Amino acid sequence: AQKITQTQPGMFVQEKEAVTLDCTYDTSDPSYGLFWYKQPSSGEMIFLIYQGSYDQQNATEGRYSLNFQKARKSANLVISASQLGDSAMYFCAMREGPGGATNKLIFGTGTLLAVQP
Amino acid sequence: GAGVSQSPSNKVTEKGKDVELRCDPISGHTALYWYRQSLGQGLEFLIYFQGNSAPDKSGLPSDRFSAERTGGSVSTLTIQRTQQEDSAVYLCASSLAPSSSYEQYFGPGTRLTVT
Repeated sequence: AQKITQTQPGMFVQEKEAVTLDCTYDTSDPSYGLFWYKQPSSGEMIFLIYQGSYDQQNATEGRYSLNFQKARKSANLVISASQLGDSAMYFCAMREGPGGATNKLIFGTGTLLAVQP
Repeated sequence: GAGVSQSPSNKVTEKGKDVELRCDPISGHTALYWYRQSLGQGLEFLIYFQGNSAPDKSGLPSDRFSAERTGGSVSTLTIQRTQQEDSAVYLCASSLAPSSSYEQYFGPGTRLTVT
């Protein structure tokens, strides 16, 4: 069965430093997508970055990058130069590929990031 | 352009009453998803629509929950005879197509409180 594990319930980081949020996954499907979403206190889920299982390069989007290690089944999110506005809950999610029934997202339990001035 | 919208933003209802939650997806998005976020259960998938049909209803927790989508656009999630354990934030998401490479865009959610 598909599963996403986020082992860090909470993290602190100093403003302007980099932080890595961990995510490991489990699936038997060779085709899948990995996503990171940010959920600030307002509640809305904001898409950050996507990594496909067949992508050769690690995904990057501005200050966000994904450290994708397929053999270890990990997809850690790296946020560079943290800002106060980065304080939020971060969710890792997985969706199986075209062979899957619905492409629904399976979410991890989230990591609450607090950026300190 | 306009994002996913949901209404109402908050709903307080008495135990045993029926409620309807509405989702307006992004125009042109064929795939629509409902999720539920609660303290004890995290984020859970409820149901998926492709067009007006629902090929996956596996996440609906009981037969008190149902959903429909009309015109390939608006979707309504109905909870009958609400129970206190139904209290949660109900999130709707849409994506361009049901492919693993397409991100899902989420609405702001409806916070349901059953008293």
